[in-house]
Amino acid sequence: KNQVEQSPQSLIILEGKNCTLQCNYTVSPFSNLRWYKQDTGRGPVSLTIMTFSENTKSNGRYTATLDADTKQSSLHITASQLSDSASYICVVKYKSQGNLIFGKGTKLSVKP
Amino acid sequence: DAGVIQSPRHEVTEMGQEVTLRCKPISGHDYLFWYRQTMMRGLELLIYFNNNVPIDDSGMPEDRFSAKMPNASFSTLKIQPSEPRDSAVYFCASSYQSGTWGVTQYFGPGTRLLVL
Repeated sequence: KNQVEQSPQSLIILEGKNCTLQCNYTVSPFSNLRWYKQDTGRGPVSLTIMTFSENTKSNGRYTATLDADTKQSSLHITASQLSDSASYICVVKYKSQGNLIFGKGTKLSVKP
Repeated sequence: DAGVIQSPRHEVTEMGQEVTLRCKPISGHDYLFWYRQTMMRGLELLIYFNNNVPIDDSGMPEDRFSAKMPNASFSTLKIQPSEPRDSAVYFCASSYQSGTWGVTQYFGPGTRLLVL
């Protein structure tokens, strides 16, 4: 069964600290993996999209890694800011024209 | 561009009533998606359209749900009759050339539905 599992479910960190969010998937065949940021009360916003050939991709203070062999991805946030408080959703697209499989997200709270 | 526009933003209704959610995609986008988000199940794809034609409605929970896209700038998701378990946030998203690996979907602000 195609699944996307994220951990931790929630995370609280202090402003300025780094953190890493995990995403494990069983989707096959794999097309690409996306990380979305969803602020409370808003729709998800794309942070990055990675294909199987990409190991690392950065978007400002966000760095996503992908290991297609172990089917794991991580999102690393550097020097966290209060505005990073949000849910981070890992999404895997299977096949070339297939649907998106969504993880349930990690809720990150950055405290001053 | 105003982004994806959804209305209403909030809807409270009683069980058994008909509910219609509306979406205006970003101009020029040829794919439109309807999602539902709950705490228990996260985000779920309900249906998506390409050039106004429904492509995959396998995520639509049951016959009470229906979606239409009469033109490139408007889509509706209807629930009739509504039930309390339909309470969720419904998102509309649009993109250009969904089949391309690098394409991003742009989400609307969502409609928060509460069925009493």
